[in-house]
Amino acid sequence: EIVLTQSPGTLSLSPGERATLSCRASQSFSSRYLAWYQQKPGQAPSLLIYGASSRATGIPDRFSGSGSGTDFTLTISGLYPEDFAVYYCQQYGSSPWTFGQGTKVEIK
Amino acid sequence: QVTLRESGPALVKPTQTLTLTCIVSGFSLSSNGMCVSWIRQSPGKALEWLARIDWDDDKYYSRSLKTRLTISKDTFKNQVVLTMTNLDPVDTATYYCARNHYYDGRGYDYWGQGALVTVSS
Repeated sequence: EIVLTQSPGTLSLSPGERATLSCRASQSFSSRYLAWYQQKPGQAPSLLIYGASSRATGIPDRFSGSGSGTDFTLTISGLYPEDFAVYYCQQYGSSPWTFGQGTKVEIK
Repeated sequence: QVTLRESGPALVKPTQTLTLTCIVSGFSLSSNGMCVSWIRQSPGKALEWLARIDWDDDKYYSRSLKTRLTISKDTFKNQVVLTMTNLDPVDTATYYCARNHYYDGRGYDYWGQGALVTVSS
């Protein structure tokens, strides 16, 4: 089973700042099967990035994903108020599929 | 329009069996490549992947919960059912169903709104 470790656990930033979130896997897998989700309080997660770097429909270009092998990154180039949320990475290339433990991006 | 909606009991007693139903619309469970998964989230905790059923009826389970879970689908009713046996208070969580298309590689593009299940005597 692939274990995904996200860091940091919490990121305290101000609107307009750049956010860099990390997702590290316990073993290498194809970047084609790495996704990032955003979850706001009381809501279901929503897809942001798939295939490590492709934005889902309607996702603004301030969100970008990168990485390969075991190290993946989600970058938010300049935080908007609506971007403060919890972000999860997920691998769906090797069963059982797994999620990271999440990174909370909070307002500083 | 693709939708998924979870239904099931809000309160379950310890040791009982939980049955959750995901009712889907806007796509067919038998379409080539279509998959539906169950994911849960305990209060204040991370997402936990539970199980997946594919268009061809292949099934996959969380290793830690495999002995307690059964996933099935009824294509004609557009439903995916998850059963979990021997419930414990630690199983208190919001249970989500979500779909993905195996061949387009996009991850979970649609989610249900979630169903909160509390395990308590």
